[in-house]
Amino acid sequence: KNEVEQSPQNLTAQEGEFITINCSYSVGISALHWLQQHPGGGIVSLFMLSSGKKKHGRLIATINIQEKHSSLHITASHPRDSAVYICAVRGGSNYKLTFGKGTLLTVNP
Amino acid sequence: EAGVTQFPSHSVIEKGQTVTLRCDPISGHDNLYWYRRVMGKEIKFLLHFVKESKQDESGMPNNRFLAERTGGTYSTLKVQPAELEDSGVYFCASSVGTGFGYTFGSGTRLTVV
Repeated sequence: KNEVEQSPQNLTAQEGEFITINCSYSVGISALHWLQQHPGGGIVSLFMLSSGKKKHGRLIATINIQEKHSSLHITASHPRDSAVYICAVRGGSNYKLTFGKGTLLTVNP
Repeated sequence: EAGVTQFPSHSVIEKGQTVTLRCDPISGHDNLYWYRRVMGKEIKFLLHFVKESKQDESGMPNNRFLAERTGGTYSTLKVQPAELEDSGVYFCASSVGTGFGYTFGSGTRLTVV
């Protein structure tokens, strides 16, 4: 079992829908990252969280340290949001990231 | 500010050949990391440099992989000799310090045939 589990693995939505991607982890962490990778593209860092909630445009990330769970929300989804969203945690060593397998999001017009 | 640059973006080599991947981190970022995604699996840590020193190379698969960061600037990752299972996407990332956010490169897609 991977230390970082994401769900769902694949998600298809219609433009305008509210999207939620979940991440659960089993180890103590110092920070959690949400990353985005478009097909054939590089990895872009969306958020780094250690507590609470962060918002950037239509993206919202939350984390519950006690429950070892984080969610990434996308409001008013758009086809350009189609990408793989990856959750990664940084452990107590504070530098090495452990990744989830990613969630492939497809937003249809 | 220039981002993290990786070269080449794609490489196709035959089994047994040698390939060298390069990563240019953001200027001033002392920390440089190599990660790899093998088909169907999650991205995994390979190693971590602080300036020119290897801080952690626990993720390096075997001694066919050699990473260097001479002068603490760009880094190279050499695979010699390459095997089929080395195929994947190799990502480089850099950060100012270990408690800070990462900037990732676009990755090098390596295919060993």
